[in-house]
Amino acid sequence: GAVVSQHPSRVICKSGTSVKIECRSLDFQATTMFWYRQFPKQSLMLMATSNEGSKATYEQGVEKDKFLINHASLTLSTLTVTSAHPEDSSFYICSARRFGNQPQHFGDGTRLSIL
Amino acid sequence: QKEVEQDPGPLSVPEGAIVSLNCTYSNSAFQYFMWYRQYSRKGPELLMYTYSSGNKEDGRFTAQVDKSSKYISLFIRDSQPSDSATYLCAMSAQGGANNLFFGTGTRLTVIP
Repeated sequence: GAVVSQHPSRVICKSGTSVKIECRSLDFQATTMFWYRQFPKQSLMLMATSNEGSKATYEQGVEKDKFLINHASLTLSTLTVTSAHPEDSSFYICSARRFGNQPQHFGDGTRLSIL
Repeated sequence: QKEVEQDPGPLSVPEGAIVSLNCTYSNSAFQYFMWYRQYSRKGPELLMYTYSSGNKEDGRFTAQVDKSSKYISLFIRDSQPSDSATYLCAMSAQGGANNLFFGTGTRLTVIP
């Protein structure tokens, strides 16, 4: 168990477009979901933490108006990159955690390329 | 100084070799330790999750934690080409902590 699905896996779009990425926990309810960004050959950088039904908590330096997060249910969180620009091109990965002392389980990531 | 240090490699071993991957850390409050495997263009997959010091074994994988030395290891026995991936260590002070501190990852290649 503990499968996290992320969609789409790849997005290529023009500058100025808004892009929505979905993260679903398929076989468990996730009280908390996380959004990360990963640059080539680097580790994961936490962008924000979202709890179902409440506002996301953003890490320092992450623009909340740029990266909109919605955690509408215990199995779904979405990240919308608004008015994306080439510098937003990256690998975005979500993770989900059940509750208590449970580890995070990751989705397969979304490779975003802004032309 | 980074919270978690991990040699990025790359590390190349022949098939069947025993692989040792390591991380060191500076925060003595860390109690929960994880190893993730990440294939190219995929998300990290949880391999091992341990609490406090000691060993944990799962098939060909053994995780070791030495809190006194602030040192954790992942051993892979009878390594296979399918083990070729980047291995990330991660740790936190609380099991359900939002803040996971990751190593930079070690890139492993197992040569057939």
